[in-house]
Amino acid sequence: NAGVTQTPKFRVLKTGQSMTLLCAQDMNHEYMYWYRQDPGMGLRLIHYSVGEGTTAKGEVPDGYNVSRLKKQNFLLGLESAAPSQTSVYFCASSYPRVNSNQPQHFGDGTRLSIL
Amino acid sequence: AQSVTQPDIHITVSEGASLELRCNYSYGATPYLFWYVQSPGQGLQLLLKYFSGDTLVQGIKGFEAEFKRSQSSFNLRKPSVHWSDAAEYFCAGGGLRGSQGNLIFGKGTKLSVKP
Repeated sequence: NAGVTQTPKFRVLKTGQSMTLLCAQDMNHEYMYWYRQDPGMGLRLIHYSVGEGTTAKGEVPDGYNVSRLKKQNFLLGLESAAPSQTSVYFCASSYPRVNSNQPQHFGDGTRLSIL
Repeated sequence: AQSVTQPDIHITVSEGASLELRCNYSYGATPYLFWYVQSPGQGLQLLLKYFSGDTLVQGIKGFEAEFKRSQSSFNLRKPSVHWSDAAEYFCAGGGLRGSQGNLIFGKGTKLSVKP
């Protein structure tokens, strides 16, 4: 059972570089999410998707873009990385929620440092 | 504004002692509440969830939580802590006003266990 798989696990970028984080889930979940986790801040939602081909902004979407071309994959892109984007990024997925009652399943995270 | 609050940033307990981690939420309707645990370098694992019905819910690893509407609380408890319980614990709420159906996470409580 792979569950939710994130690649890469670690990455160091220079300011201004671009990169894409990949999230893949094998649970046939409709909903997928990208969060960032910073010390003392908990998890903050960046973007989410309620189905293939659809995406929506979360709490902190600026500086990020996402795509959901296939149901099982959810990509998070940084077009021009900034030091403020140094964080641990988590992907999660869930079945369709009815009033948010479906638990989310998380990947192990991607540690990203921007120099 | 909706929020999920974990008042304690860091708690230390002795192995074998009882544990209670606090979580408070603010919003308008019946929420859906979750507790997750995060071990160092890992993603979040669901401990338990509350949707409706019995206000005392049992989870994995011997944890339980009680939903108290009058106190807007969903505190996590364990009667006897093991050294392996040392981790960070996150409370999360769904169905909160203004959340667009997404989960709102508390900022986490780090648990340390003394031998």
